Amino acid sequence: NAGVTQTPKFRVLKTGQSMTLLCAQDMNHEYMYWYRQDPGMGLRLIHYSVGEGTTAKGEVPDGYNVSRLKKQNFLLGLESAAPSQTSVYFCASSSLAGTDTQYFGPGTRLTVL
Amino acid sequence: DAKTTQPPSMDCAEGRAANLPCNHSTISGNEYVYWYRQIHSQGPQYIIHGLKNNETNEMASLIITEDRKSSTLILPHATLRDTAVYYCIVSLGTGGFKTIFGAGTRLFVKA
Repeated sequence: NAGVTQTPKFRVLKTGQSMTLLCAQDMNHEYMYWYRQDPGMGLRLIHYSVGEGTTAKGEVPDGYNVSRLKKQNFLLGLESAAPSQTSVYFCASSSLAGTDTQYFGPGTRLTVL
Repeated sequence: DAKTTQPPSMDCAEGRAANLPCNHSTISGNEYVYWYRQIHSQGPQYIIHGLKNNETNEMASLIITEDRKSSTLILPHATLRDTAVYYCIVSLGTGGFKTIFGAGTRLFVKA
């Protein structure tokens, strides 16, 4: 079991460029989440999904889009990157089994110049 | 979901018990208390959770007061590898989309 994996681990973008972050989980979890973490702060929820083909906005969704075409994958897209989106991005997943236990990936460190 | 209050930082000597407090005075009857930790820049790691009763697993113990307004995470024999930020979270346990990760407590385990 690899758990939750994220691709890429690091990325540097120029302002205005686009990119997609990939999250994959092999635990057959229904729920998946994207968070961002800025220096010295806690995690903030960007978008989440409660099942294949569904997505919903979290606390800080502006500037991001997501897709969940397959149950095991959750993609986070930045259409036009801005310096304010420089952050560490974490993906997580959890099951439907009445528990809120989330399993996190190792993170993607994104810098927008 | 109820909010939590944690001290910003704590120190602990290696080999001693680390007791991390958390206040959640507005917790409702069906909300769970969860603890996660984040070591350096890694993804957060689940530690333990509970509703009313005290809980213990291979990582830690969770003590919840009878009125459920506060709890304590206990690492019985802290090691240097336990140095991390510890997050106390209150949640209904029906999906993490309402989970709020605050600033947490930065625990320093010293040799």
